[in-house]
Amino acid sequence: GQQVMQIPQYQHVQEGEDFTTYCNSSTTLSNIQWYKQRPGGHPVFLIQLVKSGEVKKQKRLTFQFGEAKKNSSLHITATQTTDVGTYFCAGPLWGGSQGNLIFGKGTKLSVKP
Amino acid sequence: DTGVSQDPRHKITKRGQNVTFRCDPISEHNRLYWYRQTLGQGPEFLTYFQNEAQLEKSRLLSDRFSAERPKGSFSTLEIQRTEQGDSAMYLCASSPPLLTPSTDTQYFGPGTRLTVL
Repeated sequence: GQQVMQIPQYQHVQEGEDFTTYCNSSTTLSNIQWYKQRPGGHPVFLIQLVKSGEVKKQKRLTFQFGEAKKNSSLHITATQTTDVGTYFCAGPLWGGSQGNLIFGKGTKLSVKP
Repeated sequence: DTGVSQDPRHKITKRGQNVTFRCDPISEHNRLYWYRQTLGQGPEFLTYFQNEAQLEKSRLLSDRFSAERPKGSFSTLEIQRTEQGDSAMYLCASSPPLLTPSTDTQYFGPGTRLTVL
């Protein structure tokens, strides 16, 4: 079945270090979305990428969508303690109604001050 | 109110009991989703409504689970004869009407944490 995989599962960094999480899909995606979930919180939408090779930036966060539209990455420059949380990628559920998503297991980021 | 709300936030029940959760989406959003999330996992799709119509239901969803959205506004998720394996966070999300492929943002509620003893 359709799978969305993320690596690493956990990442521990010192504040100020960079962080990258990778997302790979077993199927070509029409778009990919990224969500952040703080400890004890709920997923919050960060961004959606639609075009092959697309790169978008949000302050210290850089998101990329692969040329084949099967992978994506999120890079955080100079992490801060406020970046702590789990980052999920999600893509359209194959065969599902538009808008239904399949999520990866997430990358849990911890930042040591 | 600008967000998705869910009630209750926490529910502890004994195995075999029925439970019902409620979700109030953002008012202009006609699309509503239910997900289940267990520790260390991403949200897992359960079911989807567009207005009052339930358009999709996960094959993983047991017959003990039922969801409704009678007036196209709030939704309820009922679990009958709960089992310990049902313990999880149940998340509701909503989305605005579909205009273009780039408007699939889902706005999540705070979730209902279910513990089945």
